[in-house]
Amino acid sequence: DAKTTQPNSMESNEEEPVHLPCNHSTISGTDYIHWYRQLPSQGPEYVIHGLTSNVNNRMASLAIAEDRKSSTLILHRATLRDAAVYYCILVTQGGSEKLVFGKGTKLTVNP
Amino acid sequence: SQTIHQWPATLVQPVGSPLSLECTVEGTSNPNLYWYRQAAGRGLQLLFYSVGIGQISSEVPQNLSASRPQDRQFILSSKKLLLSDSGFYLCAWSDLYTGANYNEQFFGPGTRLTVL
Repeated sequence: DAKTTQPNSMESNEEEPVHLPCNHSTISGTDYIHWYRQLPSQGPEYVIHGLTSNVNNRMASLAIAEDRKSSTLILHRATLRDAAVYYCILVTQGGSEKLVFGKGTKLTVNP
Repeated sequence: SQTIHQWPATLVQPVGSPLSLECTVEGTSNPNLYWYRQAAGRGLQLLFYSVGIGQISSEVPQNLSASRPQDRQFILSSKKLLLSDSGFYLCAWSDLYTGANYNEQFFGPGTRLTVL
């Protein structure tokens, strides 16, 4: 599974947008970019995923660079409930269905 | 709708004692099932995954084992616990063919295990 690189931590203020970056320079053409988040003392939950085009859902937006070597998870208005560890994971289509979690980015949201 | 259950929620066990953690999924058939462990302050580590009854793949050699006696039941076991087995154990399931949510995994509430 291809590797991803994320900052260890980020901080944001409530009701402001948050841009969480992820680098995946060795991504292959069949790798999907998935984002999960883990709230304290809970299991991870799926946030969003994409392949080439930018994606939006009720939780967040995913902006994928044209060369696909990086992506950004966008929380449009951070709330205190968004404080969590965010994981960027590459999943190969047609390959193993395992999720390989890195250390992720710990997001702190200040009131 | 689908739900995933894990029990117990918390467990304190002495070193050398056996372990059995259970995970069940409702509302789906033939799911892929996974066991993860998260040691304190660390990321999630995949331990086992299963694509069907009796089919178990091990990711990390250790004193743990997994079994899938029924389609929607996944059990994590150990004959003798070590101090290093302490952690947060998470069960997850996925359905490969869910269209837009390709390979989305759904996690249970977890079991917090402390080995003393």
